[in-house]
Amino acid sequence: DAKTTQPPSMDCAEGRAANLPCNHSTISGNEYVYWYRQIHSQGPQYIIHGLKNNETNEMASLIITEDRKSSTLILPHATLRDTAVYYCIVTKGGNKLVFGAGTILRVKS
Amino acid sequence: GAVVSQHPSRVICKSGTSVKIECRSLDFQATTMFWYRQFPKQSLMLMATSNEGSKATYEQGVEKDKFLINHASLTLSTLTVTSAHPEDSSFYICSAQGAGGGEQYFGPGTRLTVT
Repeated sequence: DAKTTQPPSMDCAEGRAANLPCNHSTISGNEYVYWYRQIHSQGPQYIIHGLKNNETNEMASLIITEDRKSSTLILPHATLRDTAVYYCIVTKGGNKLVFGAGTILRVKS
Repeated sequence: GAVVSQHPSRVICKSGTSVKIECRSLDFQATTMFWYRQFPKQSLMLMATSNEGSKATYEQGVEKDKFLINHASLTLSTLTVTSAHPEDSSFYICSAQGAGGGEQYFGPGTRLTVT
């Protein structure tokens, strides 16, 4: 599975949009981009995934560049409860997940 | 989203004893379940993948005789840590995936402390 690169940490003001970038320049054509987050001392939570098109659900939006080499997870109105480690993972559908270090997002009031 | 539970949430055991952790998918059938381990300030590390009715596939470096995995039904997988030692103290997390593949749904984790 392709590797991903994420910034180690980001801060965001409460109520503002949080934009979390992810680079996956070696992604292959049949690999999906998945986003999960882990709040301290809990199991990870699935957020969203996509293949080529941008995706949106009740939690977030996923913007994938046309060449698929990078993507951005957008939390439109961040709250304090969104403070967590966010993992961007690239994998073929149904395959195992390989977790990197992720991005620590701190939402501040 | 789908709900996955784990039991117990926290366990303390003595060195040399065995501990069983249960992982249940509550509202869907999990053809595949995964077991992860997470040490403090580190990311999740996959230990093994199990398919219902089959033997588990272990990741490199994970001792299959020490970490026994059973996936006897579409809603239940168990991880037994045999002859536990203090270095096995960790946060153990399971996830479940339905027949179509796709996203994994994670349990809340089990904190194991071996004294």
